[in-house]
Formats: sequence, C-alpha cells, structure tokens
Amino acid sequence: EDKVVQSPLSLVVHEGDTVTLNCSYEVTNFRSLLWYKQEKKAPTFLFMLTSSGIEKKSGRLSSILDKKELFSILNITATQTGDSAVYLCASISNTGNQFYFGTGTSLTVIP
Amino acid sequence: NAGVMQNPRHLVRRRGQEARLRCSPMKGHSHVYWYRQLPEEGLKFMVYLQKENIIDESGMPKERFSAEFPKEGPSILRIQQVVRGDSAAYFCASSPNGAYEQYFGPGTRLTVT
Repeated sequence: EDKVVQSPLSLVVHEGDTVTLNCSYEVTNFRSLLWYKQEKKAPTFLFMLTSSGIEKKSGRLSSILDKKELFSILNITATQTGDSAVYLCASISNTGNQFYFGTGTSLTVIP
Repeated sequence: NAGVMQNPRHLVRRRGQEARLRCSPMKGHSHVYWYRQLPEEGLKFMVYLQKENIIDESGMPKERFSAEFPKEGPSILRIQQVVRGDSAAYFCASSPNGAYEQYFGPGTRLTVT
C-alpha cells in the first residue's frame, strides 16, 4: 500500500533556530513529491520535487529529494513565529491521479 | 485572480440529512480534487474530476458519496444520509491542465450532530 510518513509529528523551537522536517515515501511508480504549509485553513504550495539531489529554495525554506533512499527533507533556517504551521508532504505517482499525503509535522516557533 | 473558493465554510447537519459542498476552482483550472481531513489524520484523497468527467474516484466511499463537476458551475461533493463519522474538513484543490501543482480552497467543515 502506498504511504507517506512524516517525522517528527510535532516540533517546538525558538525563533532563529533551524529545523529539518522529514518525509519518507513508498509509492508505486513515484513521480514527484510536494511540500505544503497548512496554517489555520487550506494548505499552500511550497515546493515540488521530481529530480533527486537538486535543492529547491525559496527564501529561508529549502528542500531536497533523495529518490534512492525514498525521502525528502524540508529545511527552514532562522525560523520566525510566522513559520508556525503544519507542514505536509505528498507524493504522486505516474500511474494514478492520487496525491498521498502524510499526516504532517506541526511546527511551533516560540519567540 | 480569485483563489479556489469553497462554500459553505461551515455546515451542520443532523444524522440522515444530505450535505452538499461546493468548490469553484481557480480561473482557468479544469482539474478538481476533493480531500477529506479527519482529526489527527492527514489529507485523504477522495476523487479527481475534470469538467463533466470523473477521472478517479478510488478514494471515495462506495455508498452515500458522489461528486460532479458540470460544464457550468462549481464542483459538488454530495453526501447523502450523513453519519457522525462524516464529520471532517473537506478540502478541494484545483490545478491547471497537466500540472501537479494544486491550489487548495479554505475547506468546508462538516459537523454531523
């Protein structure tokens, strides 16, 4: 059965810390992995990763995919209270139209 | 360019009633996905539609649930004879043709009493 597992489930850090969120996947005919940030409402898209070893960056956020070890990490440097959210990763396969979401990592950044 | 819109945002139904959830995709998007998010669980895929077609409904319960995306108007997720276990947040997402990037709506929180 296809699945996506995220760790840790929750994380509390101080402003300015750097965090690394993990996402491992087991998906038949894997195509891409996506990261989302979910605050109080809808998830917002962060990154899509298709190729192994190529880092994607957006400001203080960066992400990379390892297709050999079947995982991805999301890094956030110099965290701010506005980074507090649930971070979701999702995988998609070539053969299906389904997005398999992990249960998310709840990040809390305290001042 | 308005984002994905869902209504109502909150819906309360008694057991046995019907729930209708609406989703208007972003302008220019013809692909709609519906997800359910239960407490303490991740987003679970339910159904993927394009205009007038159901492409993949493998995540949808076989009974009581149906979805449509007509040529005109929003996509509708319909739940008949709701039960307490249907209480959840229902999100829809849209994407442009052939893209995997999805844009989510704010969700509809369904409460069954």
